Amino acid sequence: GESVGLHLPTLSVQEGDNSIINCAYSNSASDYFIWYKQESGKGPQFIIDIRSNMDKRQGQRVTVLLNKTVKHLSLQIAATQPGDSAVYFCAEASGGSNYKLTFGKGTLLTVNP
Amino acid sequence: ETGVTQSPTHLIKTRGQQVTLRCSSQSGHNTVSWYQQALGQGPQFIFQYYREEENGRGNFPPRFSGLQFPNYSSELNVNALELDDSALYLCASSLAQKNIQYFGAGTRLSVL
Repeated sequence: GESVGLHLPTLSVQEGDNSIINCAYSNSASDYFIWYKQESGKGPQFIIDIRSNMDKRQGQRVTVLLNKTVKHLSLQIAATQPGDSAVYFCAEASGGSNYKLTFGKGTLLTVNP
Repeated sequence: ETGVTQSPTHLIKTRGQQVTLRCSSQSGHNTVSWYQQALGQGPQFIFQYYREEENGRGNFPPRFSGLQFPNYSSELNVNALELDDSALYLCASSLAQKNIQYFGAGTRLSVL
């Protein structure tokens, strides 16, 4: 069945370092992936998305890499800042044009000053 | 801020009661999805509404039901509350043909 999981439940980095958060998925039919950031007491906030016909997409300080061969997704955050501290979720989208999202358990990123 | 608003922010109910949660979608968005997020877990899809009709459902029992109104706002109703229903309930809105879902801050439901 479908599943989206994360390799590391927690990640601690120093301010200014680059962060890499990993995610594995099992549904080879998935055609759309999204990264969300969730701060304490808030709902998930959209960061970046990527379609299955791409292997890399860049945003502001963030890059998402997709490796369909091994069903692996990663989120890279450059020059990590204290404000980046949050739980990060990867989500797999399916269901035609009105997608439902299947979330993994999340990775807690802590940025130390 | 996403423009998706949910009410109330917190709610305490007892087992067996019924609850209604409300969501106003972002301006221009006609699709609303509901998710349940247990503590320490990722959100789980409950169902989605498009043009006032249910447009997909996750693995939740029939006592979880919903409505969407002509202005695209939505309600989530849960009957016969159980202790395990305690969770953060998230609403997300999107354009029907777009994939990005924008989430509200959620309603924290505690069932005692």
